[in-house]
Amino acid sequence: QVQLVQSGAEVKKSGASVKVSCKTSGYTFNSKGISWVRQAPGQGLEWMGWISADNGHTDYAQKLQDRVTMTTDTSTSTAYMELRGLRSDDTAVYYCARSQGDINFDYWGQGSLVTVSS
Amino acid sequence: QTVVTQEPSLTVSPGGTVTLTCASSTGAVTSGHFPNWFQQKPGQAPRTLIYSTSDKHSWTPARFSGSLLGGKAALTLSGVQPEDEAEYYCLLYYGGTLVFGGGTKLTVL
Repeated sequence: QVQLVQSGAEVKKSGASVKVSCKTSGYTFNSKGISWVRQAPGQGLEWMGWISADNGHTDYAQKLQDRVTMTTDTSTSTAYMELRGLRSDDTAVYYCARSQGDINFDYWGQGSLVTVSS
Repeated sequence: QTVVTQEPSLTVSPGGTVTLTCASSTGAVTSGHFPNWFQQKPGQAPRTLIYSTSDKHSWTPARFSGSLLGGKAALTLSGVQPEDEAEYYCLLYYGGTLVFGGGTKLTVL
């Protein structure tokens, strides 16, 4: 069965970086993409970007493109999302989701809480 | 900046039918926006219900259906169950960028 298992909660200082992992199993990793979505406390969902696990192509949300990098490691079927220059409004639960290209989602990870403190 | 608009809240009686909509600030929503619909319950990760306007996943209950209606994407729940009480989000594709709607809180009462 398809599974996406994310790394644990993190607490970071303002200005630091965080790298969240999303380890996949149950399917051929490079046949799909991985999208990243975040949700601030009590707020809605925000699309952050997408990476093709086949060729590494990325699309990022314009507001984050200067601070975010998405990568994959095909040897471990793991996707990563790194966010730099953390601010208090980056405090959120970060989700990975499998997608067909960047357009059709199916399975989701359990989420990773990132807390940014000053 | 593109804005995707959903009803903030809706209430439906058990066994009833309700339609949630998803509008784009750029104009009519089409199949080219590949509308996706998600259900999220408190403390849980979102669950994908509908993709590409109307396609269902194997886990999507038959009472959920997606369509295009009056220039918007729509999610219809027919024969609503108490467990359908949740937040529902739509997601639209804009050629390399995707935008979520603000969500609809569905109350089953």
